[in-house]
Amino acid sequence: KNQVEQSPQSLIILEGKNCTLQCNYTVSPFSNLRWYKQDTGRGPVSLTIMTFSENTKSNGRYTATLDADTKQSSLHITASQLSDSASYICVVTARLNYGGATNKLIFGTGTLLAVQP
Amino acid sequence: NAGVTQTPKFQVLKTGQSMTLQCAQDMNHEYMSWYRQDPGMGLRLIHYSVGAGITDQGEVPNGYNVSRSTTEDFPLRLLSAAPSQTSVYFCASSVSGGASGELFFGEGSRLTVL
Repeated sequence: KNQVEQSPQSLIILEGKNCTLQCNYTVSPFSNLRWYKQDTGRGPVSLTIMTFSENTKSNGRYTATLDADTKQSSLHITASQLSDSASYICVVTARLNYGGATNKLIFGTGTLLAVQP
Repeated sequence: NAGVTQTPKFQVLKTGQSMTLQCAQDMNHEYMSWYRQDPGMGLRLIHYSVGAGITDQGEVPNGYNVSRSTTEDFPLRLLSAAPSQTSVYFCASSVSGGASGELFFGEGSRLTVL
């Protein structure tokens, strides 16, 4: 069964500290993995996309890693800011023949990050 | 550049009532979709469309209808609202099939069914 599991469920850190969020998946065949940021009361916004051949990708203070062998991804946030408080959702694309579209998105339940002053 | 616009942002319905959630995008995206987001669960696909005149069911389609008469608009209709449909609904669009391309989400519509 295709699944995406994220940990921890929630996390509280102090402003300026670093943190790492985890995403484990059992999706096959794998196409790509995206991290989205969802602010409270808003829609998710894409942060990064990782394909099979990519190990690391950065977007400002956000760095995503992918280990396709162990089927794990992480999102590292450096020097956290209050504006980083949000839910971070891992989304894995499975290359399937799904209802006319060729791929299927599997969503994790997200990690809720709270950055405190 | 508005992106994906959803209306209304909030709605309260009584059981059995019907309503339509509106979604419009101005990015000329072929792919549009509706998701619901419930506490402790990942986003779940309700219906999607790969272009005007083409719609298909996602993983939780029961109780919902969609149509796609234009590239820009993709309304979601609740036929007879039930308390189980209390949720936050997101419309999303993408350039190519949604699955391989980046999804652009609206701000969400919070629906409560009493």
